[in-house]
Amino acid sequence: AQSVAQPEDQVNVAEGNPLTVKCTYSVSGNPYLFWYVQYPNRGLQFLLKYITGDNLVKGSYGFEAEFNKSQTSFHLKKPSALVSDSALYFCGVNFNKFYFGSGTKLNVKP
Amino acid sequence: KAGVTQTPRYLIKTRGQQVTLSCSPISGHRSVSWYQQTPGQGLQFLFEYFSETQRNKGNFPGRFSGRQFSNSRSEMNVSTLELGDSALYLCASSWSSSGGGSTDTQYFGPGTRLTVL
Repeated sequence: AQSVAQPEDQVNVAEGNPLTVKCTYSVSGNPYLFWYVQYPNRGLQFLLKYITGDNLVKGSYGFEAEFNKSQTSFHLKKPSALVSDSALYFCGVNFNKFYFGSGTKLNVKP
Repeated sequence: KAGVTQTPRYLIKTRGQQVTLSCSPISGHRSVSWYQQTPGQGLQFLFEYFSETQRNKGNFPGRFSGRQFSNSRSEMNVSTLELGDSALYLCASSWSSSGGGSTDTQYFGPGTRLTVL
């Protein structure tokens, strides 16, 4: 069965510090991995995806994610967090249909 | 390009009623998927439509149904509403292809907030 796990319900980071939001996956076959962000009362916004190729994927708003096949992980990162990055982040895998993690709430404090 | 639009944005119904939600995909996108988002269950896949045919289905009861029109617009219907159906219903569209779209990016609408009293 395909699945995605986000082990942290919440991540707290100070503005200007680097941030990491964790994601691990389990798929039979090639993993097509995605990150989305959701602001209050809004739909999900696409940040980035990994299909194949370079393990470091760059996306919108300065975010990037590192695909690690041996650890079956796809962690989202940003070198310097902004208060405006505070939101709910979802990792997902597309295996003919999307399977999403439970979401991680990111709090960036001034 | 205009994004995915969903109507209505907010809806209040009572138990036992039925409801229809509408989704207009991004122009040129042929696949429309529906999701239910609740605080307890997270994001759950309902179904996907491609070229007016249901291509994938999640684990929801038959009270949840959908359809897609020739212009790719989609509707989902929930009959005999229950309190537990209160949720944010999200629609997403993607370009996709007839063979499936595992590499496709889905673009989400703002959602319809359904409250069942």
